[in-house]
Amino acid sequence: AQTVTQSQPEMSVQEAETVTLSCTYDTSESNYYLFWYKQPPSRQMILVIRQEAYKQQNATENRFSVNFQKAAKSFSLKISDSQLGDTAMYFCAFMKHGYGGSQGNLIFGKGTKLSVKP
Amino acid sequence: EAQVTQNPRYLITVTGKKLTVTCSQNMNHEYMSWYRQDPGLGLRQIYYSMNVEVTDKGDVPEGYKVSRKEKRNFPLILESPSPNQTSLYFCASSFGSGGRQPQHFGDGTRLSIL
Repeated sequence: AQTVTQSQPEMSVQEAETVTLSCTYDTSESNYYLFWYKQPPSRQMILVIRQEAYKQQNATENRFSVNFQKAAKSFSLKISDSQLGDTAMYFCAFMKHGYGGSQGNLIFGKGTKLSVKP
Repeated sequence: EAQVTQNPRYLITVTGKKLTVTCSQNMNHEYMSWYRQDPGLGLRQIYYSMNVEVTDKGDVPEGYKVSRKEKRNFPLILESPSPNQTSLYFCASSFGSGGRQPQHFGDGTRLSIL
């Protein structure tokens, strides 16, 4: 069974600074996807970034980038130039690659609550 | 606008009173699923559906039922709700079950079972 671990329940960062959120996972699969989701106080689940395990290049989306270390099973999220609107709960998630029904199951970590301070 | 719509957004009810949370998507997605979110546990999948009339259990299916009679709708049914089902529920949909296509989430339904 796959597991996702986020070891930082809460973090804070000053506006305009950079912060890194940690995520590790455990799987015996060789091909899979990893995601970071943002949940602001409005409680929507917003996809921040996605990484395909067979791609060595780290994914980036504007101020968000990941450090994907497949051998170490690590998938951290870096937020540059933090903004007040980045304040949210962040979830790391894993999904197996494939087309069967169970492949659609996102396995989530417990989340990291990020506060951006002015 | 492409969206997943859940209703109601909030519901307070009592133990044993049957309730249904509706979920509808307008993107012609084959795959739909339900998650529950609890503090300190993240989100966990309850049920999923690969297509019309095809449903299966996720990780925490006890106490829930689903149906998929139409492609766009995937209601979650609690036939005899209990307080341990108090939670935040999300419906999600995507074109397929693989991770190539992102899952779109509804805005969530906060259920309180007294």
